[in-house]
Amino acid sequence: DIQMTQSPSSLSASVGDRVTITCQASQDISNYLNWYQQKPGKAPKLLIYDASNLETGVPSRFSGSGSGTDFTFTISSLQPEDIATYYCQQYDNLPIFTFGPGTKVDIK
Amino acid sequence: EVQLVESGGGLVKPGGSLRLSCAASGFTFSSYSMNWVRQAPGKGLEWVSSISSSSSYIYYADSVKGRFTISRDNAKNSLYLQMNSLRAEDTAVYYCARDNRGMDVWGQGTTVTVSS
Repeated sequence: DIQMTQSPSSLSASVGDRVTITCQASQDISNYLNWYQQKPGKAPKLLIYDASNLETGVPSRFSGSGSGTDFTFTISSLQPEDIATYYCQQYDNLPIFTFGPGTKVDIK
Repeated sequence: EVQLVESGGGLVKPGGSLRLSCAASGFTFSSYSMNWVRQAPGKGLEWVSSISSSSSYIYYADSVKGRFTISRDNAKNSLYLQMNSLRAEDTAVYYCARDNRGMDVWGQGTTVTVSS
């Protein structure tokens, strides 16, 4: 089975800061990686699909990159409404979907 | 409006059963594969099961295989999860999610608590 790791597990940043989260797969997953945002008490929301494609309606300050085993998720300018936990998810090993453990982002 | 609404959660004793439902609206339900994803209290997301648009392909996580059954009724725009032999570790919020270049539409979740 493919394992997903994320780092850091949590971070605090100031409004306006650039925030970067990394996700690593235990084997090559090409670009079969998605990123989700989950706010407390809410369902997850798809932000990025296929590693780098912005879902419709998602602000352009969110971006994703990478392929193979190493991926990066970036918030170019952190906003108060971005406080959430962010998860990567692989779907190379279908039909098994694997989520990363999550990165909790809050405001310093 | 594209929407998924789960129902059927509740408190059940270990070894008991529960059937979750997910009602879809605002899109052509029969065209999409669907998923169940769960989240234990304070934990991350765990994929549980998937079903293809015509029910031809069905998959389960190892943690629920043999105990849970996913199904759908395209005429009723509904997705189901029959959960048997429930264990304490099945306690979680259960979400249904549409499969489309990622899980692009999610319900609000329904809570399942397994406790004596």
